[in-house]
Amino acid sequence: SQTIHQWPATLVQPVGSPLSLECTVEGTSNPNLYWYRQAAGRGLQLLFYSVGIGQISSEVPQNLSASRPQDRQFILSSKKLLLSDSGFYLCAWRGTSVGEQFFGPGTRLTVL
Amino acid sequence: QQQVKQSPQSLIVQKGGISIINCAYENTAFDYLPWYQQFPGKGPALLIAIRPDVSEKKEGRFTISFNKSAKQFSLHIMDSQPGDSATYFCAASIEGSSGSARQLTFGSGTQLTVLP
Repeated sequence: SQTIHQWPATLVQPVGSPLSLECTVEGTSNPNLYWYRQAAGRGLQLLFYSVGIGQISSEVPQNLSASRPQDRQFILSSKKLLLSDSGFYLCAWRGTSVGEQFFGPGTRLTVL
Repeated sequence: QQQVKQSPQSLIVQKGGISIINCAYENTAFDYLPWYQQFPGKGPALLIAIRPDVSEKKEGRFTISFNKSAKQFSLHIMDSQPGDSATYFCAASIEGSSGSARQLTFGSGTQLTVLP
């Protein structure tokens, strides 16, 4: 069966520091992968998606970037964090049935 | 514009009651309408989904009702239980163009509290 992992689970970082969040998927090949951000008490905002290695599409211009160095690995990065980058970051992969997406456990990021 | 509007923002229901959450969309090309359930500190989990070629789908206590002409769909939770207390998100999806991925557009969420 397919599983999705996110690391780390929680992170507290100062403003201006770099960021690297990792997402890995097991049990599937060449999945579509997605990064979302969820602000406290809010809905999910799509940040990036990837249809394959090295292929990244950005949905929202911002302080963040994404990379897909391997088929099952999706990384969210920032060179300098802003206070507004705080939130709950979720990685998701597209399942085999049309439209369905499965989410990882998330990373809670607090920027101080 | 691909928006999905969800209501109410919060809902309190007595145990055993029926919880109803509504969503409205604008893009008639949406072809997949899921509902997600999210517990605090966890990622959303797919609860139930419907395609626009049917008007209703039921899975256990959860039912999606779909009104194509009104461009609305709703989640009904029958015999609501305290364990159903969570945030529920509706979403809508459309196939991406060549080289792009299918994307989900999410509603803003409904925080459901089921009182014991």
